[in-house]
Amino acid sequence: EIVLTQSPGTLSLSPGESATLSCRATQPISNNYLAWYQQRPGQAPRLLIYGASSRAPGIPDRIRGSGSGTDFTLTISRVEPEDVAVYFCQQYGSAFGQGTKVEIK
Amino acid sequence: EVKLAESGGGSVQPGGSLRLSCSASGFTLDSYEMNWVRQTPGKGLEWVSFISRNGENAYHAEFVEGRFTISRDNAKNSIYLHLNSLRAEDTAIYYCARDPTGYIYGFNYFDLWGQGTLVTVSS
Repeated sequence: EIVLTQSPGTLSLSPGESATLSCRATQPISNNYLAWYQQRPGQAPRLLIYGASSRAPGIPDRIRGSGSGTDFTLTISRVEPEDVAVYFCQQYGSAFGQGTKVEIK
Repeated sequence: EVKLAESGGGSVQPGGSLRLSCSASGFTLDSYEMNWVRQTPGKGLEWVSFISRNGENAYHAEFVEGRFTISRDNAKNSIYLHLNSLRAEDTAIYYCARDPTGYIYGFNYFDLWGQGTLVTVSS
C-alpha cells in the first residue's frame, strides 16, 4: 500500500506570498493518479486538482498542481485569506495524506 | 444547485446501529458512483464504502469488517449507509462523496462532497 506524506505540517504566510505544499508517496503513483482537496474551517473537503495537474471547475489558475512519480506539489500563488484551510492529497482509489494547514499571518 | 446533503447522524451506544442518508440534488444520481468517506481528528480522512451507479457493485474498507452496508435508491435520489455493531472508533463525521470517473469497480477521487453528518459512539 502506498503511503502519502505531506509537508510541512503547517505553513504560515503573509497575504500575497506563495505557498508550496508537498505530497510524497512511498512508491511511484502511476498515470499521475493524484488529487488535491481543500478543507476550509468547518466545511467539507473540496476538490481542487485531479490527475496531479488538472484544475477542477471553478478553481482559480493561481492554484496549480504539478509533479509525477513519487513527488507532487500544490502551489498557491498570491495567498489570500480565503486560502486558510487544510489541504489533502489523495492517490486515486487509496488513502489520503494527513494534510497541510495553511495559515495567514 | 448541485448538492449532496447527509442526515441521520447522532449519538449511539457501542454495539448500536444507525442509518445515514445522503440526498442528491441538481444532478442525475444514477449517472454516478457514490461513496462514504469519514473524518476523525486522529486518523484524518478515510474512505468507507463505494457503490456503483446501478447498485450492483459495493465495496467497503477493511475496517468495516461486515458491519456496514451501503445502498442506494436512484428513484429517490438517495444513498444510504447502514451502520451496525458500532464501536467507539467509528466516531467521525461521515461524508457522502461523488466519484466522477465512471469506473464501476472501485473509487478513484471525489468531485462533490456533502456537508457531513456526525456519528458519536459512546457509552
